[in-house]
Amino acid sequence: EPEVTQTPSHQVTQMGQEVILRCVPISNHLYFYWYRQILGQKVEFLVSFYNNEISEKSEIFDDQFSVERPDGSNFTLKIRSTKLEDSAMYFCASRDDGYQPQHFGDGTRLSIL
Amino acid sequence: AQSVSQHNHHVILSEAASLELGCNYSYGGTVNLFWYVQYPGQHLQLLLKYFSGDPLVKGIKGFEAEFIKSKFSFNLRKPSVQWSDTAEYFCAVANSGYALNFGKGTSLLVTP
Repeated sequence: EPEVTQTPSHQVTQMGQEVILRCVPISNHLYFYWYRQILGQKVEFLVSFYNNEISEKSEIFDDQFSVERPDGSNFTLKIRSTKLEDSAMYFCASRDDGYQPQHFGDGTRLSIL
Repeated sequence: AQSVSQHNHHVILSEAASLELGCNYSYGGTVNLFWYVQYPGQHLQLLLKYFSGDPLVKGIKGFEAEFIKSKFSFNLRKPSVQWSDTAEYFCAVANSGYALNFGKGTSLLVTP
């Protein structure tokens, strides 16, 4: 079964540094999402992306965050200047058109020091 | 604001016991409802979904859920749990943009 893949599985970064989290969605999917889960808290929606633009974003997704689909396969989340509170598990998801559920990747654990 | 509540944060059951995990949501419009499971060390996997039609939906691994519109509920059930059902269970509601709003999750431990 096709899977969403995320790299790296664990990223350690100094506070203030930029970080890029990478995702390869399922190949024929059209909608892409990023979520995050701070330790001990619920999974929170960050942003959705369709047709090469952001279709929806949450309050969490401020100017420090950006997303990009640089080619036909990758979907990236960039955090421009990381803060301690950005430490979390970041999940990428994708779905096909219509009434289809989202498929999730294994996540990237981001640790900010 | 849209919210999802899962009433049980930690549940411990013996094998063969019946399971019911509660999920309530607050949202006035049309909802799409989901249960996801996360086994230890694995990614979120879809158990079942409700978009429309029969409010009793059947998912994988013997799970089912019932959408009760009047109660704003979408409880997950399984008549007889197995040790392999030990996992974290998440209820989620999708808005019109399909962004998922998750509950806090329920950690299920099934003991032999």
